[in-house]
Amino acid sequence: SQKIEQNSEALNIQEGKTATLTCNYTNYSPAYLQWYRQDPGRGPVFLLLIRENEKEKRKERLKVTFDTTLKQSLFHITASQPADSATYLCALGANSGGYQKVTFGTGTKLQVIP
Amino acid sequence: DVKVTQSSRYLVKRTGEKVFLECVQDMDHENMFWYRQDPGLGLRLIYFSYDVKMKEKGDIPEGYSVSREKKERFSLILESASTNQTSMYLCASRLTGTDTGELFFGEGSRLTVL
Repeated sequence: SQKIEQNSEALNIQEGKTATLTCNYTNYSPAYLQWYRQDPGRGPVFLLLIRENEKEKRKERLKVTFDTTLKQSLFHITASQPADSATYLCALGANSGGYQKVTFGTGTKLQVIP
Repeated sequence: DVKVTQSSRYLVKRTGEKVFLECVQDMDHENMFWYRQDPGLGLRLIYFSYDVKMKEKGDIPEGYSVSREKKERFSLILESASTNQTSMYLCASRLTGTDTGELFFGEGSRLTVL
C-alpha cells in the first residue's frame, strides 16, 4: 500500500542549530514533492517544491533534498529560530487518472528552544 | 494575496444532521480540494474538483458529497453526520499550470458531531 511517513515524534532543537526533518514514501512515483508549514489552528502554508529530476532546492534558510532511489526527502532549516516552531508537512504530487493528486504525510512537530 | 475563506471556524452538530461546509476562493483558481485532518492520520483527501461542475473522489469520500456550481465556491456536504466525522476540515485551491503546484488553504472548520 502507499505510505508517506514523517517522524511522528516531535523534534526539539536548540536555537541556532540546523533542524532536519525526514519524509519517506513507498509505492509512489511522485512528479514532485512539496513542504508546508502549519501553525496550531491554522491551515498549512506552502514553503518549497522539488521535482523528481531535482536533487536539491534552497530558499533562504531552507533546503530540501529529494532522493528518488531512497524514496526520501530531507528538509533542513539552518540557523533555526523559535519562530520556526511549527508542524511541517511533506506532500507528494503524482498523476492519478489524468489528474494531479496531492497526498500529505502526517507531519513532524518542530520545537526550537531558545 | 490569495484568500481561501471557509464559512465556519467551529461547528457543533448532532448525529444525523445534514451539514454544509462552504469554501470560497477569490483568485479564479480552477482546482479546489477538501481534506480532513485528524491526529496521527494527517491530511486525507475527501474530494477534489478540477473545474466547475467537475468532481473526483479522493481517498475517503464515503459519507460525503460535494458541489461546485461556481468556480469560486466548493461545498462539502455531510448528508447524515456521524460522530466519526468529528474532525478539522480544510479547503484548498490551486491554479493549474503554475511552477510550484502550490495549494492555498483556508483556516479550517472544526466540526464536532455529538
